[in-house]
Amino acid sequence: NAGVMQNPRHLVRRRGQEARLRCSPMKGHSHVYWYRQLPEEGLKFMVYLQKENIIDESGMPKERFSAEFPKEGPSILRIQQVVRGDSAAYFCASSLGPVNTEAFFGQGTRLTVV
Amino acid sequence: AQTVTQSQPEMSVQEAETVTLSCTYDTSESDYYLFWYKQPPSRQMILVIRQEAYKQQNATENRFSVNFQKAAKSFSLKISDSQLGDAAMYFCAQGKNTGNQFYFGTGTSLTVIP
Repeated sequence: NAGVMQNPRHLVRRRGQEARLRCSPMKGHSHVYWYRQLPEEGLKFMVYLQKENIIDESGMPKERFSAEFPKEGPSILRIQQVVRGDSAAYFCASSLGPVNTEAFFGQGTRLTVV
Repeated sequence: AQTVTQSQPEMSVQEAETVTLSCTYDTSESDYYLFWYKQPPSRQMILVIRQEAYKQQNATENRFSVNFQKAAKSFSLKISDSQLGDAAMYFCAQGKNTGNQFYFGTGTSLTVIP
């Protein structure tokens, strides 16, 4: 059973471009969480999705950021018109259920905006 | 709002000795979960130990144990018989009872001295 797979591992974008980060949860997991880690900081919760539904987006910036988790395929975190401040490591986690089940993390995507 | 504070940016321990990492948190929720995650240089987030807030008994996982003081909102991690492979960033996190949305501290960098 493969772990949580994130790709790409590294992504470089110029200011103003779009970044698309993908996350394939562990097999059988329908709950996905996205986190952002700025340099020298802890992870910050962004959004929680459960197949086709956004459950909690309280940590998502109001503009330029969106997330989806379609019925088929990976979850996508999309950042439009990237700025230098978006440079960070973005982590995805998945779990079997909403609570009281372990969340498994991917290895993250490091986004660099130049 | 939930906040998690780790007041020790860096700690070091001699191999085979014991070290304690501190964590305090603030939440208005009565039911929640607490976690310690380890992040080695590979960036992979690895669950070390978890504690349900409604349980008075401190969680233990092999060489890792916690001292959970609910009234003081304190959740420290004790690592016994430290090994070189324990060297990593350690993050304390608090989770909601509605899902695996975690609030992380800023981390403690642990060095193990041979």
